[in-house]
Amino acid sequence: EAGVTQSPTHLIKTRGQQATLRCSPISGHTSVYWYQQALGLGLQFLLWYDEGEERNRGNFPPRFSGRQFPNYSSELNVNALELEDSALYLCASSPGGLSFPQHFGDGTRLSIL
Amino acid sequence: ILNVEQSPQSLHVQEGDSTNFTCSFPSSNFYALHWYRWETAKSPEALFVMTLNGDEKKKGRISATLNTKEGYSYLYIKGSQPEDSATYLCAFDGGATNKLIFGTGTLLAVQP
Repeated sequence: EAGVTQSPTHLIKTRGQQATLRCSPISGHTSVYWYQQALGLGLQFLLWYDEGEERNRGNFPPRFSGRQFPNYSSELNVNALELEDSALYLCASSPGGLSFPQHFGDGTRLSIL
Repeated sequence: ILNVEQSPQSLHVQEGDSTNFTCSFPSSNFYALHWYRWETAKSPEALFVMTLNGDEKKKGRISATLNTKEGYSYLYIKGSQPEDSATYLCAFDGGATNKLIFGTGTLLAVQP
């Protein structure tokens, strides 16, 4: 069974640009979660999608947005990139809801120059 | 602001030592407590999801206990091996918060 896959592995952008990160969940998982790990900080919750709907978003500005497609894959979009957006972005999936363990992808390392 | 704290921040042990570390979380509105292991250059791996006060879970040499009334969970590793070297993360689900709140982790290094 394929695990959670994320693309790209690395992404280099400049300030003001837009970035799109992608995530494919484990087959059968309906929930997708996005997390940010900035240097020196723990995992910060960004977004939770389930069955195509946004269930919750973390304390991030509106320029962080995303969506979930009918096949349950997901995109995270970050507009007007700022230097502090440089971080590892992790995607996780679960069969549905927070009571299930989350299965993580390898992440996308986003670097803003 | 809900805080999840883990201690110690880092731990160095010798191969064969048993060790334990702590996760502290809010004792009100508890729904679940997750433990994950995150090895360098890999993705976090789920160890346990615990929901009931007094829960004890075991996976090989790793076990965890849960006290929801006082707001803490212990993770134990018996006879540590170098392959146990990783960051161990706990995450709190407060139900109404609709998200997992992660601690900053305990970095375990096991010397051969």
